[in-house]
Amino acid sequence: NAGVTQTPKFRILKIGQSMTLQCAQDMNHNYMYWYRQDPGMGLKLIYYSVGAGITDKGEVPNGYNVSRSTTEDFPLRLELAAPSQTSVYFCASRQSLAGVFEQFFGPGTRLTVL
Amino acid sequence: GENVEQHPSTLSVQEGDSAVIKCTYSDSASNYFPWYKQELGKRPQLIIDIRSNVGEKKDQRIAVTLNKTAKHFSLHITETQPEDSAVYFCAATRNSGGSNYKLTFGKGTLLTVNP
Repeated sequence: NAGVTQTPKFRILKIGQSMTLQCAQDMNHNYMYWYRQDPGMGLKLIYYSVGAGITDKGEVPNGYNVSRSTTEDFPLRLELAAPSQTSVYFCASRQSLAGVFEQFFGPGTRLTVL
Repeated sequence: GENVEQHPSTLSVQEGDSAVIKCTYSDSASNYFPWYKQELGKRPQLIIDIRSNVGEKKDQRIAVTLNKTAKHFSLHITETQPEDSAVYFCAATRNSGGSNYKLTFGKGTLLTVNP
């Protein structure tokens, strides 16, 4: 299993540009999450999904959108990029079995908006 | 919503010493408390977790304690080694489908183990 994969690893955007951060998992996990990590600020939840076709906002959703058309993929869309979106983005997933709670993280995407 | 405070933000110890990182949480309904380790430039990885029905859990050199009454939990690392150097995050969540298992993270502790 590849686990949770993310592309790209690095990206530089200009203010106002758009892009999609890709996330995929091959563990058949129903739950998927997007976090952003700013220096000294821990991880903050942007959006999450409990299964294909179901998404919901997390703590910091403004400026982002998500979709979940398949169990495997959970892309994060940035529209009109702003410098405040400069961050490291992590995707995570967990299975839905009762009693199993570990979230598995992808390798991250480092985004800079200039 | 849940709020998790983590202290200290940085911790420097000598190799072989013990390290303790403390977290407090606000939601008395939270009942699952994981600890993640993140090495520089890498992804967070779970190192240990504890559920609210136990007070302590150990795994070799690491242990976690939980005080539900005071709403705080701690990570203990004994006999520290240079490879323990990393950022450690605590987190909390309600262990129920209604919460969708959303984790609330502390801001992290940078642990440096000096040889």
